[in-house]
Amino acid sequence: GDSVTQMEGPVTLSEEAFLTINCTYTATGYPSLFWYVQYPGEGLQLLLKATKADDKGSNKGFEATYRKETTSFHLEKGSVQVSDSAVYFCALSEDNRKLIWGLGTSLAVNP
Amino acid sequence: GAVVSQHPSWVICKSGTSVKIECRSLDFQATTMFWYRQFPKQSLMLMATSNEGSKATYEQGVEKDKFLINHASLTLSTLTVTSAHPEDSSFYICSARVGVIPDTQYFGPGTRLTVL
Repeated sequence: GDSVTQMEGPVTLSEEAFLTINCTYTATGYPSLFWYVQYPGEGLQLLLKATKADDKGSNKGFEATYRKETTSFHLEKGSVQVSDSAVYFCALSEDNRKLIWGLGTSLAVNP
Repeated sequence: GAVVSQHPSWVICKSGTSVKIECRSLDFQATTMFWYRQFPKQSLMLMATSNEGSKATYEQGVEKDKFLINHASLTLSTLTVTSAHPEDSSFYICSARVGVIPDTQYFGPGTRLTVL
């Protein structure tokens, strides 16, 4: 069945460092791919998405490119801030069916 | 906008008792609500999908008599864990969706259930 694998955390970075959180997937068809973020004490919220190969999703300085050849959707940000500290989840959905989730990666950014 | 609340945010109960968790969409009407369960260091597991006014659809392996879901209105869904046992201790998350596209889900902050 479909699955999502993302790098284990926690990830700890200094402010203004470059961030990469790896995410790979397995799917039978052509899924849509998502990154969700959960800030402390809040619910999950959609960060960005891509619906087809080579699409790039972006929001709040974060980017992820849908790479069909490597079945990946890695999350990147050029310069992280303390306020980016959160748990990040990679997810996929095929044919608008239910979301399949990765384990989540905790990010802590130190000033 | 698009805020989903859950109540309570945490609850501790004795084994054998039942616990009800509420999920409310505060500023929109949700055609569908979802209930997830999350174990430590594991991904979110979808438990069930409910549409207002109809019976919930449970995922394989989820006991429907154990986890009762009621979706009485377009803004409220409840999950009742009946005769709770320590293995039911977990983090329960609800989400509400407008339409059918997955990324229109709005998530609640979750409820931590601890069964002693």
